[in-house]
Amino acid sequence: GQQVMQIPQYQHVQEGEDFTTYCNSSTTLSNIQWYKQRPGGHPVFLIQLVKSGEVKKQKRLTFQFGEAKKNSSLHITATQTTDVGTYFCAGRVNYGQNFVFGPGTRLSVLP
Amino acid sequence: DSGVTQTPKHLITATGQRVTLRCSPRSGDLSVYWYQQSLDQGLQFLIQYYNGEERAKGNILERFSAQQFPDLHSELNLSSLELGDSALYFCASSVDSDTQYFGPGTRLTVL
Repeated sequence: GQQVMQIPQYQHVQEGEDFTTYCNSSTTLSNIQWYKQRPGGHPVFLIQLVKSGEVKKQKRLTFQFGEAKKNSSLHITATQTTDVGTYFCAGRVNYGQNFVFGPGTRLSVLP
Repeated sequence: DSGVTQTPKHLITATGQRVTLRCSPRSGDLSVYWYQQSLDQGLQFLIQYYNGEERAKGNILERFSAQQFPDLHSELNLSSLELGDSALYFCASSVDSDTQYFGPGTRLTVL
């Protein structure tokens, strides 16, 4: 079945440093989503990418969908303590099918 | 606030017992998903209902069952509880199989 992997599992950064998490799928995806879960909170939808090579930005966050639509990345520039949490990617093979969540990358930001 | 509600917020029970978790989806959403998240772990997909019918099944134990009622709210029943069932249980809803909006979760503690 479809598998979605994420690396790294954990990342500790100093405030102000950049951070990147990578998401890889065993199969080509129709679209990919990113969610953020703050400590003690629930996952919250961040963004969806649909096109091959697509890049989207949200303030300090940059999301990228690979050309082959099998991988994606989330890059945070100049991390802040508010960025702390677990970032999940979720990929879907075909429209109408469910999204499969990756295991998440847990980000700690040291002030 | 995602618009998805879950009750109760916390539940403490003993091994061997049975509990019911309740979820009300966002207005207009027909799909309901259930996830289990053990301490510091990822989201384990349990089951999805769409407009009252089971649509997809994940790693759901035979001791667990769910249903979606005509008013679209859903219940997750967990029976013969074991210590290892202690976890956060999230419900999410979506219009179809699209972006999922997560509820605040029910924290289950089995003693």
